[in-house]
Amino acid sequence: QITLKESGPTLVKPTQTLTLTCTFSGFSLSTSGVGVSWIRQPPGKALEWLALIYWDDDKRYSPSLKSRLTVTKDTSKNQVVLTMTNMDPVDTATYYCAHQEEYGDSSGFFDYWGLGTLVTVSS
Amino acid sequence: DIQMTQSPSTLSASVGDRVTITCRASQTISSWLAWYQQKPGKAPKLLIYKASSLESGVPSRFSGSGSGTEFTLTISSLQPDDFATYYCQQYGSYPYTFGQGTKLEIK
Repeated sequence: QITLKESGPTLVKPTQTLTLTCTFSGFSLSTSGVGVSWIRQPPGKALEWLALIYWDDDKRYSPSLKSRLTVTKDTSKNQVVLTMTNMDPVDTATYYCAHQEEYGDSSGFFDYWGLGTLVTVSS
Repeated sequence: DIQMTQSPSTLSASVGDRVTITCRASQTISSWLAWYQQKPGKAPKLLIYKASSLESGVPSRFSGSGSGTEFTLTISSLQPDDFATYYCQQYGSYPYTFGQGTKLEIK
């Protein structure tokens, strides 16, 4: 079965760079049509999509955060890494990674999610 | 960016009620819409994709409809496990965007 798990620091200081790792199993990020997205959710607020990496290394970013985000993959390790620079207290949120795949003509929804990891930005 | 607007923001209902949540897109997204259920402290769970396709394992009391810019999620007979927050998400174009959520509360 497909599982994903986020890992990384729970506390970062303002201006620091956040690095989160999504380790997954049950699928390969070298399979055509497969992608992994990062999504975040500030406490008590709505979901916000951040970034996506596809099996062919195509990458997409939220325009509002594009200058601060980098997403990479290590297919051999079944991992996807998100880095976010210049962290601010408003970036305090639970960060999720999620699986997406082309099903027929449909792709872009998230059928499997990690448990999420809460990142607090504070000095 | 395509803005997704859900209504209502909060909905109070009783077990057995039929409820409908609406999601409007700021521009047409064809049928590229998903619905998720989220409970406190948990990751979202996919309910519906492509506006009306029920995800495997999701009870048939959940249904979705709509296309273009207006979509609905209907729960035909509320069960105690259904009290949660519901989000719509468009994947018609990047960036993917979510609605602000609808909290379904027990009346």
